[in-house]
Amino acid sequence: GENVEQHPSTLSVQEGDSAVIKCTYSDSASNYFPWYKQELGKRPQLIIDIRSNVGEKKDQRIAVTLNKTAKHFSLHITETQPEDSAVYFCAAKRMNYGGSQGNLIFGKGTKLSVKP
Amino acid sequence: DADVTQTPRNRITKTGKRIMLECSQTKGHDRMYWYRQDPGLGLRLIYYSFDVKDINKGEISDGYSVSRQAQAKFSLSLESAIPNQTALYFCATSGDYSNQPQHFGDGTRLSIL
Repeated sequence: GENVEQHPSTLSVQEGDSAVIKCTYSDSASNYFPWYKQELGKRPQLIIDIRSNVGEKKDQRIAVTLNKTAKHFSLHITETQPEDSAVYFCAAKRMNYGGSQGNLIFGKGTKLSVKP
Repeated sequence: DADVTQTPRNRITKTGKRIMLECSQTKGHDRMYWYRQDPGLGLRLIYYSFDVKDINKGEISDGYSVSRQAQAKFSLSLESAIPNQTALYFCATSGDYSNQPQHFGDGTRLSIL
């Protein structure tokens, strides 16, 4: 089955710097890769996702890149702000339209701290 | 706003007790999930249901059972709680198509003494 490794487990950056979180997956059939942000005491919320037919996706200060050959994908946050402080989870899933599919497999999370 | 509601939000109970966690949603989604979150272990799938008559085991189903009472309701039961089931539990829903994201409830913090 799918296995998702996420690094680092903790990350501390200065406000305004960039942050990068990396995930690797084991199942080459996985083709959907969402990222969730969980603020302290709150529910995980989807912030961005990417499908295997594209290599990069951006949404304002957040971007995700995917390398299918190496089976890894990364979350990039630029110009970090204190409100970016949270735990971030990557996940992977095999989507088969009209047929069987896998479930979301989550990484163990990265605690990001942005220092003012 | 359409949402995913979990009850209770917090529960403290004793070893051996039967516990039920409830989840209801107003999103109109057919697919519902129960996850367990432990520090440093991420989110692990306990059970999932794609419609009222469809129940499937996830990664860590031992010691748990579920009931899908209606499209909008999916409950998780611990028949005889043990301390290592102390964790944060999340319910989630998603639409019918496999490319639709999951939406989480606010979670239930369960402590078993």
